[in-house]
Amino acid sequence: EAGVAQSPRYKIIEKRQSVAFWCNPISGHATLYWYQQILGQGPKLLIQFQNNGVVDDSQLPKDRFSAERLKGVDSTLKIQPAKLEDSAVYLCASSHGTANYGYTFGSGTRLTVV
Amino acid sequence: KNQVEQSPQSLIILEGKNCTLQCNYTVSPFSNLRWYKQDTGRGPVSLTIMTFSENTKSNGRYTATLDADTKQSSLHITASQLSDSASYICVVSEGGGFKTIFGAGTRLFVKA
Repeated sequence: EAGVAQSPRYKIIEKRQSVAFWCNPISGHATLYWYQQILGQGPKLLIQFQNNGVVDDSQLPKDRFSAERLKGVDSTLKIQPAKLEDSAVYLCASSHGTANYGYTFGSGTRLTVV
Repeated sequence: KNQVEQSPQSLIILEGKNCTLQCNYTVSPFSNLRWYKQDTGRGPVSLTIMTFSENTKSNGRYTATLDADTKQSSLHITASQLSDSASYICVVSEGGGFKTIFGAGTRLFVKA
């Protein structure tokens, strides 16, 4: 089966600019996750969708981050305006249901804010 | 507070040697524990998954153990290869699996 697709792979922007990331999960996977992974740390959940509804966005900095999953398939994550500390890898993952079914991760988008 | 702590933070071993990575957790109620391998520039890939009743699971040269009483897990790598150089992340799912907690990972370097 095709994996989780993410784009772009790399992005460099200046602080205060905006940026958007795209994720296409595995076909049929109802649950989609966005994680932020800062260098040297484990991934931190930003937002979890079940179909097109939000299950958990408690760690999403809502003043600057937003995410949507229209039609319960593809998802976009946006940062506006970006800060230096947003430099990280943004990972998208999907699963059939809950995490008990296992995740499949995409390769991530490496964001550098200068 | 639910936490997952891994040790060591980083490890350097010679090719062909064995190594063991540790994971301690305080997640409750416990659902399952996974070990992931993350190559540089790639997303994590699942190696093993263990539920409460399982205490060992193998995947090739990788063997994971789980002691649910002491809330400890280990990942043993046998006869290491250069391609084993990666970060190994311990992930614990809580309750019905809706929440997962990631460890910070152990960075393994295998040298020729």
